Amino acid sequence: KNQVEQSPQSLIILEGKNCTLQCNYTVSPFSNLRWYKQDTGRGPVSLTIMTFSENTKSNGRYTATLDADTKQSSLHITASQLSDSASYICVVSGLRAGKSTFGDGTTLTVKP
Amino acid sequence: GAVVSQHPSWVICKSGTSVKIECRSLDFQATTMFWYRQFPKQSLMLMATSNEGSKATYEQGVEKDKFLINHASLTLSTLTVTSAHPEDSSFYICSASFAGGWYEQFFGPGTRLTVL
Repeated sequence: KNQVEQSPQSLIILEGKNCTLQCNYTVSPFSNLRWYKQDTGRGPVSLTIMTFSENTKSNGRYTATLDADTKQSSLHITASQLSDSASYICVVSGLRAGKSTFGDGTTLTVKP
Repeated sequence: GAVVSQHPSWVICKSGTSVKIECRSLDFQATTMFWYRQFPKQSLMLMATSNEGSKATYEQGVEKDKFLINHASLTLSTLTVTSAHPEDSSFYICSASFAGGWYEQFFGPGTRLTVL
């Protein structure tokens, strides 16, 4: 069964600090991995998308890495801001059926 | 970028009534649309997947007679919650993807349904 596990479940950091969120998956064969940011009461917004051949992708202060061999991804947030407080969701798609597997998300709280 | 809209953004209705939620892809043709529900502080739960012009595929445990999904065109899908009850109160989110788009999903802003 395809699974996506995210850690930690929640994280509290001080404004200006960096943090790293983890995503491990078992989806195979692999097509792509996406990271989304979901603010409370809003729909998810795409941060990065990576295919098999990509091992890093940046979007401003967000940098995602992918190790397709170990089936692990991370999302690194640099110089956190209060507006980074949100849920971060890792989504992995396989090559078959066009279906995506969602992680449960990591809730990040940035405090002043 | 690809934009998906939802209407209404929030709705309050009485128990027993039906509510329709629209999901539109504004600048691309969505061959597939997905409907999710999300309870507070929980992850997105896929309810159904619909392809334009064909019947929706519902996830296990989702009542298709209660949650009617219509994907009549490449830019519009609707979710109708029939005979709504308070336990149907939730945040409903749609997403859309297009053929050849690496299955990337573009999400709508969500609709907050409150059933009194």
